[in-house]
This record gives sequence, structure tokens and C-alpha cells, in this order.
Amino acid sequence: QSALTQPPSASGSPGQSVTISCTGTSSDVGGYNYVSWYQQHPGKAPKLIIYEVSKRPSGVPDRFSGSKSGNTASLTVSGLQAEDEADYYCSSYGGSNNSGVFGTGTKVTVL
Amino acid sequence: QLQLQESGPGLVKPSETLSLTCTVSGGSIRSSSYYWGWIRQPPGKGLEYIGSIYYSGSTYYNPSLKSRVTISVDTSKNQFSLKLSSMTAADTAVYYCAKQGSTTRAAFDIWGQGTMVTVSS
Repeated sequence: QSALTQPPSASGSPGQSVTISCTGTSSDVGGYNYVSWYQQHPGKAPKLIIYEVSKRPSGVPDRFSGSKSGNTASLTVSGLQAEDEADYYCSSYGGSNNSGVFGTGTKVTVL
Repeated sequence: QLQLQESGPGLVKPSETLSLTCTVSGGSIRSSSYYWGWIRQPPGKGLEYIGSIYYSGSTYYNPSLKSRVTISVDTSKNQFSLKLSSMTAADTAVYYCAKQGSTTRAAFDIWGQGTMVTVSS
């Protein structure tokens, strides 16, 4: 069970947008519309911000959006704010014998 | 609102079995149709899925940990538990319990605060 591939880091100035990729295979990201994204601040538990590729839980700002093309999912944070500085992890369902796989994580820095 | 809280030893000796419990408050495991899962995070590293359990007892495990993991549920206590055997230093991590949706395809939408477990003699 290999982790999904994310860039180690991404950055942007306040008000700008940043997009994070999450690359898997046809057995996970490409095979199902069950990609989720989590935001994690230092010392805190992860927080769900996107589920089923592009859906936002109640209370998550619409600055966060998700999409998928083939074996790669993406998270875009628009209108970057200081509080968006955090680690971001993607996750995907990978079939009945591989229920959950996480990405390698991306540290987003707000310049 | 639903809250989850992990409990268990912070220090485990190599080769021993880790036992952690997640207590659910603000809702009933038995009356819900959700999966409940465990995820861990080694210091400075990424998240790793351990496994999930349905309120009825059906389980799904990460294939790479399956031989060492047992997840169980006690609906009378509104708790679910993790046992991980043959612990090594590589199992040192923050262990989180979390609520999943109604299938194992679903995301983890509510998380506990996590508990740090160190493997050392």
C-alpha cells in the first residue's frame, strides 16, 4: 500500500491561490470519487476540509475547493490567509482490500 | 456534539502489545451507522491508516499492519479499541481515533485529539 504523492511544500502570498496535487493510481485516486483532504496545524489533529473529491463539510470556507483528473486530485486554496498555513494531506479509498491510503503531505506557507 | 477521546499508555516496551481505547461521547456507537477508525502519525511524518470497525463488529485493516492489528468495539461502553502487537520503535507515533462515514470509502470527519505512544525499553 503506497502513499499518495504530494509535493513537500507550497507557498503563496496573502490573497493569492495555491494548488496542491495528490497523485495516485487507477486503483485508488483514479478509480473512485472518494478523495478527501485534511488540514493539520502543528500539534493539532487533522481537520476534514474536502470529501468525495469536491464537497465541503459544513463550516469550511468556500476558499477551499477540490477537483480530480485521472489519477491526480488537487486542492486549491484561494484568497490565502495567514491561518491557512498548515500541513495538508489527501486521502483516497483504494478498494475493499485497501480501504484507506493517505498522501505524503504538503506544507503550505503563507509568505 | 460528537467527541472522541483516546486513552492508553504513553510508553510501551519493544515486543509488547499496545492497547488503546477511544471513548465516544455526544452520540451512541450502537445507534449510528458509522465506521470508526484508527490513524497514526510518527513524529514529523505523515498520516497512516490503521483500520476501521463498524458498530456491528466488521473490520477493515491496512494490509501492511493486518497481521499485528485487532480493532474491537464495545457498544455497551460506547468505546472502540486498538491492539497492536509486537511493537517496535517504528510504531512510535501519535495515535488518533476518528469517526468515518457510513462506508469505509468515507472520509474521517471527526477526530480525537490524539495520544502519543513511545516504544522504548
